[in-house]
Amino acid sequence: EPEVTQTPSHQVTQMGQEVILRCVPISNHLYFYWYRQILGQKVEFLVSFYNNEISEKSEIFDDQFSVERPDGSNFTLKIRSTKLEDSAMYFCASGGETQYFGPGTRLLVL
Amino acid sequence: AQSVTQPDIHITVSEGASLELRCNYSYGATPYLFWYVQSPGQGLQLLLKYFSGDTLVQGIKGFEAEFKRSQSSFNLRKPSVHWSDAAEYFCAVYGLGKLVFGAGTILRVKS
Repeated sequence: EPEVTQTPSHQVTQMGQEVILRCVPISNHLYFYWYRQILGQKVEFLVSFYNNEISEKSEIFDDQFSVERPDGSNFTLKIRSTKLEDSAMYFCASGGETQYFGPGTRLLVL
Repeated sequence: AQSVTQPDIHITVSEGASLELRCNYSYGATPYLFWYVQSPGQGLQLLLKYFSGDTLVQGIKGFEAEFKRSQSSFNLRKPSVHWSDAAEYFCAVYGLGKLVFGAGTILRVKS
């Protein structure tokens, strides 16, 4: 059964550093998403991506964040200059109305 | 804007007992509703979804949910809980291109 994969599973970084989180969506899906879950809080939408451009983004998704589909299989989330409050579990999803989630990347910013 | 409320933060049930997890939503149009489950350290697994039609939907692992428009609810049920069902359960509504999640309900199963 096809599934969404994410790498790395854990990432520790210093405040101010850039991080790139990687995702491989399900191959025939056209919509891709990033969500995050800060410890103890709700899962929050960050951004959706379709046809090589952002289709929706939340208020959280400011200029420090960017997404890219660099090739036919990967979908990445870049945080340019990490802050302590970026520490969270980041989930990639693909699909449409029905979204299938990856296992997440736990990001810890020190 | 859409929103989801899960009133119960924690629920504890005995193994073999029945389960109902509550979910209330707010959305202006016909909602697309989902239940996901998250085991510790794992991602979000889709349990079931409601788009239209029969208001009682069946999902994986023996779960079902009933859509009640008059109550704006989409409660998740299971007739007999297994220890492996211990996890966190999230209700979500799709609208405006994104999923909006509830805060989750942590299910504990006691033997």
